[in-house]
Amino acid sequence: EIVLTQSPATLSLSPGERATLSCGASQSVGNNYLAWYQQRPGLAPRLLIYGATNRATGIPDRFSGSGSGTDFTLTISRLEPEDVAVYYCQKYGDSSVFGPGTKVEIK
Amino acid sequence: QVQLVESGGGVVQPGRSLRLSCAASGFTFSEYGMHWVRQAAGKGLEWVSVIWYDGSRKYYGDSVKDRFTISRDNSRNTLYLHMDSLRVEDTAVYYCARDPSLSPMYQFDFWGQGILVTVSS
Repeated sequence: EIVLTQSPATLSLSPGERATLSCGASQSVGNNYLAWYQQRPGLAPRLLIYGATNRATGIPDRFSGSGSGTDFTLTISRLEPEDVAVYYCQKYGDSSVFGPGTKVEIK
Repeated sequence: QVQLVESGGGVVQPGRSLRLSCAASGFTFSEYGMHWVRQAAGKGLEWVSVIWYDGSRKYYGDSVKDRFTISRDNSRNTLYLHMDSLRVEDTAVYYCARDPSLSPMYQFDFWGQGILVTVSS
């Protein structure tokens, strides 16, 4: 089974800065079935990105996804206070595997 | 708008049973696969179970196989999770989540608010 790793574990940035979150897979993710979820404190997760690069409905365009194969990236172009959350990558398709998450904090 | 509302959580002793419900609205429930996903306090997300749009197929994670049963009532727009032989390690917030595909792709486009299940003596 695919194992996902995420780095860094915690990211602390100032408002307006660019955030780059990485997700690595132990083997190639077929069809780029890689999603990103945002989980704000005390709330349920929310789908941000699917198919590695596609924004889900209603997601601001400051969020973007890239990558293929075993290396994927979620970028928040200009960090806002409401972006404080844990971000999970997930492989989907014929099963679900989540990464351990990256916590994004505001300095 | 899509809404998923879980209920039925609470405190239960190890070895006992509990049934969770998830009431769906704002979409045609019978046209979507549905999942349960759980999260222990301070931990990551763990997929628990999936049911096809018509209830014809059901799959479970290894940690709950043979103890949990997923079901649905499309006439009531409700998803269920029957949990037997509960263990302390089943303590978590349980989320129901919609799969955007008729035949589930294990992608979750809408989530409920979650319901806490605590297994403790």
